[in-house]
Amino acid sequence: QLQLQESGSGLVKPSQTLSLTCAVSGGSISSGGYSWSWIRQPPGKGLEWIGYIYHSGSTYYNPSLKSRVTISVDRSKNQFSLKLSSVTAADTAVYYCAREEQQLVYAYWGQGTLVTVSS
Amino acid sequence: EIVMTQSPATLSVSPGERATLSCRASQSVSSNLAWYQQKPGQAPRLLIYGASTRATGIPARFSGSGSGTEFTLTISSLQSEDFAVYYCQQYNNWPPGRTFGGGTKVEIK
Repeated sequence: QLQLQESGSGLVKPSQTLSLTCAVSGGSISSGGYSWSWIRQPPGKGLEWIGYIYHSGSTYYNPSLKSRVTISVDRSKNQFSLKLSSVTAADTAVYYCAREEQQLVYAYWGQGTLVTVSS
Repeated sequence: EIVMTQSPATLSVSPGERATLSCRASQSVSSNLAWYQQKPGQAPRLLIYGASTRATGIPARFSGSGSGTEFTLTISSLQSEDFAVYYCQQYNNWPPGRTFGGGTKVEIK
């Protein structure tokens, strides 16, 4: 059974860079046909798609976040990462990692990790 | 960017009754539409993809319909465990991004 687990700093200062990692177990991140995504949810609000990285390594980001987002893969560790620069309070959210299936939907999610932006 | 609009924001339904949730896309997404259920403190759970195909393990009381810009999720007879927030998500090929609707909260009447 595929499992995803987010980790990283839960508190980030304004203007700094948020960094999160998603560890994948029960399957290989190098398996063809899947993409690896980040999705966030501000407290009490809806879901916002951040971006994904294909198994090939190519990426696509939400246009509203594109200038600040980087998603990368570490195949040796079977994990992928999110970096979001120049954060503000508006970036406070629960951040989820998820696998995008061949049907382009999200059947597997991490449990989510709350990141708070505050000085 | 494709904008997804869900209605109503909140739906009050009695257990055993039928619930009908709507999702509208700002441009055609063909049948590239999924529905998710989210309970407090949990990650979303995939219910429906391809507008009408139930995901693995999803009860038959959940059904999806629609294509193009108008979509519906129907829960035929609400069970206690179905009270949650429901999101639609488009995954059209172009533009290649993904967007979620704002959600519909199904609450006990």
